[in-house]
This record gives sequence, structure tokens and C-alpha cells, in this order.
Amino acid sequence: GEDVEQSLFLSVREGDSSVINCTYTDSSSTYLYWYKQEPGAGLQLLTYIFSNMDMKQDQRLTVLLNKKDKHLSLRIADTQTGDSAIYFCAERGSSGGYQKVTFGIGTKLQVIP
Amino acid sequence: NAGVMQNPRHLVRRRGQEARLRCSPMKGHSHVYWYRQLPEEGLKFMVYLQKENIIDESGMPKERFSAEFPKEGPSILRIQQVVRGDSAAYFCASSTDNEKLFFGSGTQLSVL
Repeated sequence: GEDVEQSLFLSVREGDSSVINCTYTDSSSTYLYWYKQEPGAGLQLLTYIFSNMDMKQDQRLTVLLNKKDKHLSLRIADTQTGDSAIYFCAERGSSGGYQKVTFGIGTKLQVIP
Repeated sequence: NAGVMQNPRHLVRRRGQEARLRCSPMKGHSHVYWYRQLPEEGLKFMVYLQKENIIDESGMPKERFSAEFPKEGPSILRIQQVVRGDSAAYFCASSTDNEKLFFGSGTQLSVL
């Protein structure tokens, strides 16, 4: 079945760039997403990319997609302490006759002042 | 336009009691999803519903758990005879056409 994998933890210094990586297995993926979860809160959609795109930029966020390798990354420029959160990668693909969204385990980003 | 509303925010139950978690999707959204998040673990898909229909319940335990999304009113996730292992954060999400999911703030279930 479909699977989404992420590293568990990333630590960066304030002002540096953060790069969070994700791999997925579903070759029928149509959309790929990045969600952010702050402590005690639900998931907030940060950005998403269509599977026919290679890159999408939105202010400090850059999403890169390598469809051949099924690799997705999220780059956060000039990382701030407010960026500390768990970041979930998710993919939408065909499964069971409908477009199912599958989430990774989440990468905990720690920003050191 | 209010977001996805979940209540209660926190729910405490004793072993053997029933837990009922409610989710009101965003206005105009007819797709509802339930996920469970255990401490230090990711989101686990439980069930996907459209109005009055269960589309995919492959992630939901066969016993004690049920979900509904009636024509009128919120979606309900029901857990009967709760056990300590049911303690988790339960998140609901909604969408218009299964493209982007919008999440509620979750219900934290604690089983004593």
C-alpha cells in the first residue's frame, strides 16, 4: 500500500535554512502537501504542489518535488523560533477507488535561538 | 466562515465508558475524515465519510469503534467500552472534493 516516510527530528539555528525531506511510494500521487502542527493544535495546511510541478515557492517556503525518485522537500528560509513545530508530509493518490490522503509520521523542527 | 469545529476539546472517560467525539465540517464541505494521533506518533487514518455514507473505514478497529456523518448535524466518532489504549488525540478534517484537507483542533481523549 501507500507509504510516506520522514525523518523524525531536525534542529537548526535561528536564521539558517531548514530542509525537511519526505519520500513516498504511491506512483499515482496527484497532490503532495506540507502541514504544520504546533503544540496542542490541529494541522495547518502550509503549502501543496501538483505532481506535474517540480517546484513551488511561497514567501519563505520552497517545495521541491522529484517525481522520479518520489522525493519531496520543504525548505524554510531564514528559520524563526515561531517555525518550531511538527511538519507533516502528505500525498494524495488513488487507493481503494478514491483519492486518499496519506500522512507521514511528522518531522519535529526545533529552532535554536 | 468558521473552520472545522471539534468538541469536546478534552474528554475524560473511565475504562468501560463510551466516548462520543463530534466534528462539524467547514461550511460547504461534504467530506469528513477522522485521524488518531498517539503520543510521539504520526497521524493514523481511521475513516473517511461523505454525507450518510462511509467510504473507507479501513483504519478503524472493527470492534468498539463506529463513525457516522448524518444528513443533518455533525459527524460523530463513537468509541464504546473505552480502554486505556484508546487515549489519544483524535482529529477531524473536512474537504469539498478531497483535494485539500482542513483540520480541526482535535479532541484529546484520556481514559482513566
